[in-house]
Amino acid sequence: QKEVEQNSGPLSVPEGAIASLNCTYSDRGSQSFFWYRQYSGKSPELIMFIYSNGDKEDGRFTAQLNKASQYVSLLIRDSQPSDSATYLCALSSSNTGKLIFGQGTTLQVKP
Amino acid sequence: ETGVTQTPRHLVMGMTNKKSLKCEQHLGHNAMYWYKQSAKKPLELMFVYSLEERVENNSVPSRFSPECPNSSHLFLHLHTLQPEDSALYLCASSQTLQGNAGNTIYFGEGSWLTVV
Repeated sequence: QKEVEQNSGPLSVPEGAIASLNCTYSDRGSQSFFWYRQYSGKSPELIMFIYSNGDKEDGRFTAQLNKASQYVSLLIRDSQPSDSATYLCALSSSNTGKLIFGQGTTLQVKP
Repeated sequence: ETGVTQTPRHLVMGMTNKKSLKCEQHLGHNAMYWYKQSAKKPLELMFVYSLEERVENNSVPSRFSPECPNSSHLFLHLHTLQPEDSALYLCASSQTLQGNAGNTIYFGEGSWLTVV
Protein backbone atom coordinates (compact mmCIF):
# COMPACT_ATOMS: atom_id res chain seq x y z
CA GLN A 1 0.00 0.00 0.00
CA LYS A 2 1.27 3.46 -0.89
CA GLU A 3 1.96 5.65 2.12
CA VAL A 4 -0.15 8.46 0.69
CA GLU A 5 -2.67 7.62 -1.98
CA GLN A 6 -4.53 9.99 -4.28
CA ASN A 7 -6.55 9.44 -7.41
CA SER A 8 -4.51 11.04 -10.17
CA GLY A 9 -7.64 12.20 -12.01
CA PRO A 10 -8.27 14.36 -13.84
CA LEU A 11 -11.21 15.46 -11.77
CA SER A 12 -13.41 17.70 -13.86
CA VAL A 13 -15.99 20.01 -12.32
CA PRO A 14 -18.01 22.91 -13.76
CA GLU A 15 -17.31 26.44 -12.64
CA GLY A 16 -19.13 27.27 -9.43
CA ALA A 17 -19.37 23.67 -8.24
CA ILE A 18 -17.73 22.10 -5.21
CA ALA A 19 -14.57 20.16 -5.97
CA SER A 20 -13.78 17.32 -3.56
CA LEU A 21 -10.25 15.97 -3.45
CA ASN A 22 -9.49 12.91 -1.36
CA CYS A 23 -6.39 11.35 0.12
CA THR A 24 -5.87 8.18 2.16
CA TYR A 25 -2.79 7.26 4.12
CA SER A 26 -1.32 4.23 5.82
CA ASP A 27 0.66 5.71 8.74
CA ARG A 28 -1.73 5.73 11.69
CA GLY A 29 0.71 7.74 13.75
CA SER A 30 0.80 10.72 11.40
CA GLN A 31 -0.22 13.94 13.12
CA SER A 32 0.14 16.68 10.52
CA PHE A 33 -1.40 16.85 7.07
CA PHE A 34 -0.89 19.32 4.27
CA TRP A 35 -2.47 20.26 0.98
CA TYR A 36 -0.28 21.83 -1.70
CA ARG A 37 -1.40 23.26 -5.03
CA GLN A 38 0.88 22.99 -8.06
CA TYR A 39 0.12 24.81 -11.28
CA SER A 40 1.55 23.33 -14.45
CA GLY A 41 5.23 24.18 -14.73
CA LYS A 42 5.30 25.77 -11.28
CA SER A 43 6.39 24.72 -7.81
CA PRO A 44 4.04 23.43 -5.09
CA GLU A 45 2.57 26.04 -2.76
CA LEU A 46 0.97 25.33 0.59
CA ILE A 47 -2.78 25.85 0.76
CA MET A 48 -3.63 24.46 4.18
CA PHE A 49 -2.46 22.23 6.96
CA ILE A 50 -4.61 20.34 9.45
CA TYR A 51 -3.78 18.25 12.47
CA SER A 52 -7.05 17.86 14.38
CA ASN A 53 -9.97 15.67 13.44
CA GLY A 54 -12.80 17.59 11.83
CA ASP A 55 -12.95 20.51 9.45
CA LYS A 56 -10.72 23.50 8.97
CA GLU A 57 -11.95 26.32 6.76
CA ASP A 58 -9.97 29.02 4.99
CA GLY A 59 -11.94 31.06 2.49
CA ARG A 60 -13.25 28.77 -0.24
CA PHE A 61 -11.10 25.88 1.00
CA THR A 62 -12.06 23.36 3.67
CA ALA A 63 -9.74 20.59 4.81
CA GLN A 64 -11.31 17.59 6.50
CA LEU A 65 -9.42 15.05 8.57
CA ASN A 66 -10.63 11.69 9.85
CA LYS A 67 -7.80 9.87 11.60
CA ALA A 68 -9.90 6.82 12.45
CA SER A 69 -10.60 6.23 8.76
CA GLN A 70 -7.17 7.53 7.72
CA TYR A 71 -8.32 10.01 5.15
CA VAL A 72 -7.97 13.68 4.57
CA SER A 73 -9.87 15.68 2.00
CA LEU A 74 -9.92 19.14 0.50
CA LEU A 75 -13.15 20.82 -0.57
CA ILE A 76 -13.06 23.81 -2.88
CA ARG A 77 -16.32 25.76 -2.95
CA ASP A 78 -17.38 27.92 -5.89
CA SER A 79 -14.63 26.42 -8.06
CA GLN A 80 -13.01 28.77 -10.53
CA PRO A 81 -11.03 28.00 -13.69
CA SER A 82 -8.01 29.45 -11.86
CA ASP A 83 -8.28 26.55 -9.39
CA SER A 84 -7.28 24.17 -12.20
CA ALA A 85 -4.04 22.62 -10.95
CA THR A 86 -2.62 19.49 -9.37
CA TYR A 87 -3.32 19.17 -5.66
CA LEU A 88 -0.77 17.31 -3.57
CA CYS A 89 -1.61 15.69 -0.27
CA ALA A 90 1.25 15.30 2.19
CA LEU A 91 1.70 14.11 5.74
CA SER A 92 4.37 14.22 8.34
CA SER A 93 5.76 10.75 9.01
CA SER A 94 5.34 9.66 12.61
CA ASN A 95 8.75 7.98 12.45
CA THR A 96 10.94 10.57 10.80
CA GLY A 97 8.92 13.77 10.75
CA LYS A 98 9.63 14.17 7.07
CA LEU A 99 6.90 15.04 4.59
CA ILE A 100 5.59 12.23 2.42
CA PHE A 101 3.67 13.28 -0.68
CA GLY A 102 0.97 11.63 -2.71
CA GLN A 103 1.22 11.70 -6.48
CA GLY A 104 -1.39 14.44 -6.72
CA THR A 105 -4.85 14.86 -8.20
CA THR A 106 -5.30 17.00 -11.29
CA LEU A 107 -8.34 19.25 -11.07
CA GLN A 108 -9.94 20.82 -14.14
CA VAL A 109 -12.56 23.50 -13.59
CA LYS A 110 -14.48 24.13 -16.80
CA PRO A 111 -16.08 27.51 -17.50
CA GLU B 1 7.92 34.68 -5.42
CA THR B 2 8.46 32.32 -2.51
CA GLY B 3 11.89 33.54 -1.43
CA VAL B 4 13.58 30.42 -2.80
CA THR B 5 15.38 30.94 -6.09
CA GLN B 6 16.68 28.19 -8.32
CA THR B 7 18.98 28.38 -11.33
CA PRO B 8 19.03 27.35 -14.06
CA ARG B 9 15.33 26.91 -14.72
CA HIS B 10 16.03 24.58 -17.62
CA LEU B 11 19.07 22.41 -18.27
CA VAL B 12 19.86 19.94 -21.02
CA MET B 13 22.96 17.86 -20.49
CA GLY B 14 24.67 14.88 -22.00
CA MET B 15 25.39 11.77 -20.01
CA THR B 16 29.08 12.60 -19.74
CA ASN B 17 28.62 16.22 -18.69
CA LYS B 18 29.12 17.76 -15.26
CA LYS B 19 26.68 20.46 -14.25
CA SER B 20 25.29 21.99 -11.07
CA LEU B 21 21.93 23.23 -9.90
CA LYS B 22 21.90 26.19 -7.55
CA CYS B 23 19.40 27.19 -4.90
CA GLU B 24 19.32 30.29 -2.73
CA GLN B 25 16.82 31.14 -0.03
CA HIS B 26 16.24 34.65 1.31
CA LEU B 27 14.01 33.64 4.20
CA GLY B 28 16.52 33.10 6.96
CA HIS B 29 15.58 29.43 7.19
CA ASN B 30 17.79 26.79 8.75
CA ALA B 31 16.73 23.73 6.75
CA MET B 32 17.03 23.13 3.00
CA TYR B 33 15.96 20.23 0.81
CA TRP B 34 16.31 18.75 -2.65
CA TYR B 35 13.28 16.97 -4.10
CA LYS B 36 12.86 15.14 -7.39
CA GLN B 37 9.54 15.24 -9.23
CA SER B 38 9.02 12.83 -12.10
CA ALA B 39 5.89 12.54 -14.21
CA LYS B 40 3.07 10.59 -12.55
CA LYS B 41 5.17 9.95 -9.41
CA PRO B 42 5.08 11.52 -5.95
CA LEU B 43 7.66 14.05 -4.91
CA GLU B 44 10.77 12.21 -3.77
CA LEU B 45 12.91 13.65 -1.02
CA MET B 46 16.58 13.37 -1.98
CA PHE B 47 18.63 15.31 0.57
CA VAL B 48 18.04 17.28 3.74
CA TYR B 49 20.37 19.86 5.26
CA SER B 50 19.94 21.44 8.67
CA LEU B 51 22.28 24.27 9.63
CA GLU B 52 24.55 23.31 6.73
CA GLU B 53 24.86 19.73 7.91
CA ARG B 54 23.46 16.91 5.81
CA VAL B 55 20.95 15.04 7.94
CA GLU B 56 19.38 12.81 5.36
CA ASN B 57 20.37 11.08 2.14
CA ASN B 58 17.58 8.93 0.81
CA SER B 59 19.58 6.30 -1.04
CA VAL B 60 20.33 8.71 -3.84
CA PRO B 61 22.90 7.52 -6.42
CA SER B 62 26.34 9.04 -6.07
CA ARG B 63 26.02 10.73 -9.46
CA PHE B 64 24.02 13.32 -7.47
CA SER B 65 26.22 15.20 -5.02
CA PRO B 66 24.77 17.93 -2.78
CA GLU B 67 26.70 20.80 -1.25
CA CYS B 68 25.57 23.32 1.34
CA PRO B 69 28.27 25.97 1.87
CA ASN B 70 26.06 28.09 4.15
CA SER B 71 22.49 28.18 5.38
CA SER B 72 21.31 30.25 2.40
CA HIS B 73 22.78 28.25 -0.46
CA LEU B 74 22.37 24.70 -1.65
CA PHE B 75 23.85 23.05 -4.72
CA LEU B 76 23.21 19.79 -6.48
CA HIS B 77 26.21 18.65 -8.53
CA LEU B 78 25.37 16.36 -11.41
CA HIS B 79 27.80 13.93 -13.05
CA THR B 80 27.31 11.09 -15.55
CA LEU B 81 23.55 11.16 -15.28
CA GLN B 82 21.19 8.78 -17.03
CA PRO B 83 18.18 9.65 -19.21
CA GLU B 84 15.88 8.37 -16.44
CA ASP B 85 17.23 11.16 -14.23
CA SER B 86 15.35 13.66 -16.37
CA ALA B 87 12.87 15.34 -14.04
CA LEU B 88 11.98 18.52 -12.22
CA TYR B 89 14.35 19.13 -9.32
CA LEU B 90 12.87 21.25 -6.57
CA CYS B 91 14.73 23.02 -3.84
CA ALA B 92 12.86 23.90 -0.67
CA SER B 93 13.49 25.47 2.71
CA SER B 94 11.82 25.68 6.10
CA GLN B 95 12.54 27.43 9.37
CA THR B 96 13.45 24.16 11.05
CA LEU B 97 13.38 20.56 9.89
CA GLN B 98 10.14 19.65 8.12
CA GLY B 99 7.05 18.02 9.46
CA ASN B 100 5.51 20.24 12.09
CA ALA B 101 2.15 21.77 11.31
CA GLY B 102 3.34 25.32 11.62
CA ASN B 103 6.66 24.76 9.91
CA THR B 104 5.86 25.58 6.32
CA ILE B 105 8.07 24.33 3.53
CA TYR B 106 8.63 26.81 0.72
CA PHE B 107 9.56 25.48 -2.69
CA GLY B 108 11.60 27.11 -5.40
CA GLU B 109 10.32 27.21 -8.98
CA GLY B 110 12.35 24.15 -9.86
CA SER B 111 14.98 23.23 -12.41
CA TRP B 112 13.81 21.19 -15.37
CA LEU B 113 16.56 18.73 -16.21
CA THR B 114 16.75 16.76 -19.44
CA VAL B 115 19.50 14.19 -19.85
CA VAL B 116 20.21 13.20 -23.44
